[in-house]
Amino acid sequence: GQNIDQPTEMTATEGAIVQINCTYQTSGFNGLFWYQQHAGEAPTFLSYNVLDGLEEKGRFSSFLSRSKGYSYLLLKELQMKDSASYLCAVRPASTYSGAGSYQLTFGKGTKLSVIP
Amino acid sequence: NAGVMQNPRHLVRRRGQEARLRCSPMKGHSHVYWYRQLPEEGLKFMVYLQKENIIDESGMPKERFSAEFPKEGPSILRIQQVVRGDSAAYFCASSPKETLMNTEAFFGQGTRLTVV
Repeated sequence: GQNIDQPTEMTATEGAIVQINCTYQTSGFNGLFWYQQHAGEAPTFLSYNVLDGLEEKGRFSSFLSRSKGYSYLLLKELQMKDSASYLCAVRPASTYSGAGSYQLTFGKGTKLSVIP
Repeated sequence: NAGVMQNPRHLVRRRGQEARLRCSPMKGHSHVYWYRQLPEEGLKFMVYLQKENIIDESGMPKERFSAEFPKEGPSILRIQQVVRGDSAAYFCASSPKETLMNTEAFFGQGTRLTVV
């Protein structure tokens, strides 16, 4: 079966650092994605990990451990505009999914509130 | 280069009516994915289409739901005889024909269907 767990809500202070965790159990693994979604808007791509380790992109970093079925998204120097839901998604192995297809399994998302 | 375009943004239907949701992928993209997001739930994969072909509809409810992606024009998600439980945000994503593992998926802004 497919299962992706992430905290429902988090609160952090402007300027601080926050880590959003994601654990997954899926049938096969072809990569893990993080998306940001503001209320009422489209999910927007933040990061992609397929190999173990840390990927850094500006204020955002994402980490993956395939053996532990674990990832986290790290947000530094938090800004008020970072208040949004952060979605963890896994591309499982599938008969139909080539290496690059987008049949993703999403977690329920973590709603992050950044306070002054 | 326009992004993934979905219309309408908001759709209200009475129980028993039909809902038609449209998705125009990004220019040059030939793969389309439909997802449903119920309140307080994660995005759930519904169907994966290429031009004139349904590749995987394993996430589609067996009845009342259908999808197409004709040679010309947008992809259509059709829901017949809508019920209150169909109220959700429906998102479309697109990717290019040659999709690498780390290629971003681009999501539209969604159609919010409300069944009254």
